[in-house]
Amino acid sequence: EIVLTQSPGTLSLSPGERATLSCRASQSFSSSYLAWYQQKPGQAPRLLIYAASIRAAGIPDRFSGSGSGTDFTLTISRLEPEDFAVYYCQQYDTSRTFGQGTKVEIK
Amino acid sequence: QVQLQESGPGLVKPSETLSLTCTVSGGSTKSYYWTWIRQSAGLGLQWIGRIHSTRGANYNPYLKSRVTMSVDTSNSQFSLKLNSMTAVDTAVYFCVREGSSGKDAFDIWGQGTMVSVSS
Repeated sequence: EIVLTQSPGTLSLSPGERATLSCRASQSFSSSYLAWYQQKPGQAPRLLIYAASIRAAGIPDRFSGSGSGTDFTLTISRLEPEDFAVYYCQQYDTSRTFGQGTKVEIK
Repeated sequence: QVQLQESGPGLVKPSETLSLTCTVSGGSTKSYYWTWIRQSAGLGLQWIGRIHSTRGANYNPYLKSRVTMSVDTSNSQFSLKLNSMTAVDTAVYFCVREGSSGKDAFDIWGQGTMVSVSS
């Protein structure tokens, strides 16, 4: 099983700041099969990025993804109030697994 | 616009079987992979498995012995059965769409339904 480890667990930032979230895999896989999701309290996760760097429909361009092999990054260039949430990475190369999440909270 | 809606009991007794149904509106179940994912504080987000109307089902190896999925294309529904329920299975259960290629992200999610296991 591919284990995904996200860091940090919590990121405390102010609106307008840049957020950098990390996702590290226990083994290498194709970047074509890495996604990022955003989840707000009481809601289902929402797809942000797939294939490591492609924004899903309707996702603002302040969200960007990068990485390959075992190391992937989600960047939010300038945090808007609605961006404070929990973010998950997920691989769909071998079975399907999720990271444990990074909470982006208001500082 | 495709929407998914879970339905089923909110409370299940230990050792019993959970049965959930997902109704797909605004689209057909004849293509795409239809997936169940659950979320709990203890296990985080866990993929349970998926089913395709013509390609069959794939299950999480850790749950495979307890899971059965089916799809009813005539009624645009798909279902999950999970037997031998225990407290560890208490979670929010989501029905989700995965793209038709076989290796796709999860692009459409239901709102989720809370299932508790208790006597």
